[in-house]
Amino acid sequence: DAKTTQPNSMESNEEEPVHLPCNHSTISGTDYIHWYRQLPSQGPEYVIHGLTSNVNNRMASLAIAEDRKSSTLILHRATLRDAAVYYCILSGDDKIIFGKGTRLHILP
Amino acid sequence: EPEVTQTPSHQVTQMGQEVILRCVPISNHLYFYWYRQILGQKVEFLVSFYNNEISEKSEIFDDQFSVERPDGSNFTLKIRSTKLEDSAMYFCASSEEGRTGRGGKLFFGSGTQLSVL
Repeated sequence: DAKTTQPNSMESNEEEPVHLPCNHSTISGTDYIHWYRQLPSQGPEYVIHGLTSNVNNRMASLAIAEDRKSSTLILHRATLRDAAVYYCILSGDDKIIFGKGTRLHILP
Repeated sequence: EPEVTQTPSHQVTQMGQEVILRCVPISNHLYFYWYRQILGQKVEFLVSFYNNEISEKSEIFDDQFSVERPDGSNFTLKIRSTKLEDSAMYFCASSEEGRTGRGGKLFFGSGTQLSVL
């Protein structure tokens, strides 16, 4: 699986939008971009995924650069419950391989 | 909302003993996975399973490990002779679509904490 680069940690204020960046300059044409998160003491949780177009769901939005070499996960209004490790993952086969992710801290 | 269920939540065993970790995937899912997470480290892929056979396994998944779907609802991970370094949180996951490279989503259980003494 191609490599992704994410900041180790980020902070955001509660009730404000959060933009989590991910670089994946070696992405192949068929790789899907997946985002998962892991809340403290829980299993990973699917957030969103996309291929080329921007995607929205009830949890978040995914903005994918036109050249697909980067993407941004957008939490529109962060809550304390969104404090977690967020993983940006490329998958071209049938498994998800986790990196270190971005630890998101939400400040009340 | 359907969820992946794992039992037990905690398992303590002596080094050298066999353990079986159990998972009940979401009922209409066909693809199954085991991952593990050693305390403070990243989540590691162990094995994927489809159509009653292993699809892919990592280097971690050596001869000490085996997986089985003994009936229509359970998915198990067996460690034959546990080592101290097997202490970790083990996560089961399932997927309806399977191929994450085609957009399949994984749903994870809350994990079994295995402590090997």
